[in-house]
This record gives sequence, C-alpha cells and structure tokens, in this order.
Amino acid sequence: SQTIHQWPATLVQPVGSPLSLECTVEGTSNPNLYWYRQAAGRGLQLLFYSVGIGQISSEVPQNLSASRPQDRQFILSSKKLLLSDSGFYLCAWKLAGGPLNIQYFGAGTRLSVL
Amino acid sequence: QKEVEQNSGPLSVPEGAIASLNCTYSDRGSQSFFWYRQYSGKSPELIMFIYSNGDKEDGRFTAQLNKASQYVSLLIRDSQPSDSATYLCAVNHNAGNNRKLIWGLGTSLAVNP
Repeated sequence: SQTIHQWPATLVQPVGSPLSLECTVEGTSNPNLYWYRQAAGRGLQLLFYSVGIGQISSEVPQNLSASRPQDRQFILSSKKLLLSDSGFYLCAWKLAGGPLNIQYFGAGTRLSVL
Repeated sequence: QKEVEQNSGPLSVPEGAIASLNCTYSDRGSQSFFWYRQYSGKSPELIMFIYSNGDKEDGRFTAQLNKASQYVSLLIRDSQPSDSATYLCAVNHNAGNNRKLIWGLGTSLAVNP
C-alpha cells in the first residue's frame, strides 16, 4: 500500500529565515505530487504540482519554490519567509495516469512565522 | 474563474439524525467530484467520490450528483459525534488536464450527543 510522509509536523520560524519542507511517497512510482497551503479560516490553495522528476508547475507566484529531485520526493522551499507564509502546508499525491484525480494527503506541517 | 461553493456552517445536527451537506460548482465541464473530511488540526481524508449522475452509497455516507443543476451533496445517516469535522468538496475539470482540483472552503459539521 502507498504511504506519504511529511515532516516536520510543526515549525516556528522567524521572518526572513529560510524554509525547507520535505515530502516522500512510498509504494508507488511516478506519482503526481502537490503542495497546498491552508491558511487559518481559508480554503486549500494549490501552490505547486509535479508530474515527474524536475517538472514543477507553479500556481501562485510568491517567495516559495518547489523541487522534485527524486521520483517520490517533493520539497518546498523559501529563501526568506514572510509573516504571510504562516499556515498549514500539505503535501498530496495522486496515482499517475489514473482516470480520477483522487489525491491523498500527508499529515501536514503547521508553520508559524513570527 | 472556476468556483466551488459550500455553506460554511456550522451545521449542527443531533446524534442519530441525517446531516446534509451541499456543494455547487460553476464549471459545467466538471466531471468528477470528491468529498473530504478534515478534523480540526488534521489533514483532509477522502470519504467518497462520484462522477455519474445519481446517488452513490458507502456505509452511512451517500453522495448525490446532479450535473444539470451543478450541485453535489453528501448525506450522513445516523450521524455520530465522531462525524464532527469540516467537510470539503472538491471538483475536477477533465478538459485535457486532470491534475488539479478546485476546492470549496468547507462546511463545518457539529453532531451533538
């Protein structure tokens, strides 16, 4: 069976510091991978998605970036965090080529930028 | 602009009652629809998906889809306090790109013992 790991669970960072969140998927090959952010009281905002190694599509221009250095690894980064980057960051995966866009989520990282 | 709308709630029902959650969408090309449950502080988990008009039942949950009226609903029978959560509706548009979902803001459900 497939599992998705996301860490850390909680992170408190000062404004202007860098960020690196990591997500890995087990039990499947070439999954579609997604980074979402959920701000307090707001909906899920798609940040990036990837259909393969090195292939990143950005949905929202901002000070975040994503990379996919390996098939089942997805990394979200920032060089300098802003207060507005606080939120609940979720990684999700989808079976490649599946007829339905069923996405499965990791446990999430709650980021507080102070 | 593709949109998915849900009443934010909170929807409050007594234990054992039927909870009815509704979702409308703007894009007539949408072809598949998903309901996720999100407990406070946790990540969303898939409850059901539906892509054909009509009803789809899974245990206490029934998803209903009406493409002509552009709405999808989720019924929870015999509601339990453990069903208290936010329910997210997501819609996929399959026009050559099935990789993105459009999300509603969610409906908060409270089941009172």
